[in-house]
Amino acid sequence: EPEVTQTPSHQVTQMGQEVILRCVPISNHLYFYWYRQILGQKVEFLVSFYNNEISEKSEIFDDQFSVERPDGSNFTLKIRSTKLEDSAMYFCASTTNGLAGETQYFGPGTRLLVL
Amino acid sequence: DQQVKQNSPSLSVQEGRISILNCDYTNSMFDYFLWYKKYPAEGPTFLISISSIKDKNEDGRFTVFLNKSAKHLSLHIVPSQPGDSAVYFCAASASGANNLFFGTGTRLTVIP
Repeated sequence: EPEVTQTPSHQVTQMGQEVILRCVPISNHLYFYWYRQILGQKVEFLVSFYNNEISEKSEIFDDQFSVERPDGSNFTLKIRSTKLEDSAMYFCASTTNGLAGETQYFGPGTRLLVL
Repeated sequence: DQQVKQNSPSLSVQEGRISILNCDYTNSMFDYFLWYKKYPAEGPTFLISISSIKDKNEDGRFTVFLNKSAKHLSLHIVPSQPGDSAVYFCAASASGANNLFFGTGTRLTVIP
């Protein structure tokens, strides 16, 4: 069964450093998402992406964040200058058509720890 | 921002019995509701969904009930199995938007 994959599974970085989290969405999916879950809190939407453009973003997704689809398979989330509060699990998800209510398929997540 | 709430952080149920997980929402624009299951060190896995035009959707052992007037939905698992032990998230989205709003999750433990 096709699945969303994410690398790395864990990343430790120093505050102020840049990190890039990578995702390979399901191959025939067109809409891609990033969510995060701070330890003990709910999963929060960050951004959705379609046709090489951001389609929606939350207030969490400020200028420190950017997303890119650098090639036909990868979808990346970059945090330019990490802060302690960026420590969280980051989940990538994808859907076929991006319709409301359509099932979003999630990857296993990247655990980011900012020291 | 508590648009989707799961007020029970945990639930323990005996194997074979029914598990009932509850979810409340405040945003009347939500049209679609989904339940996800999450094991440790894995991403959320889709379980079952319901649109606001229905009040019940069933898939095997899993049934979701929606009460729009009360802005409440519930997930019933019957019979519960030890492999159902996981964290269950309720999520919602509105027509015209494709981002999901998640609840804080309920940890279900099914006791053999």
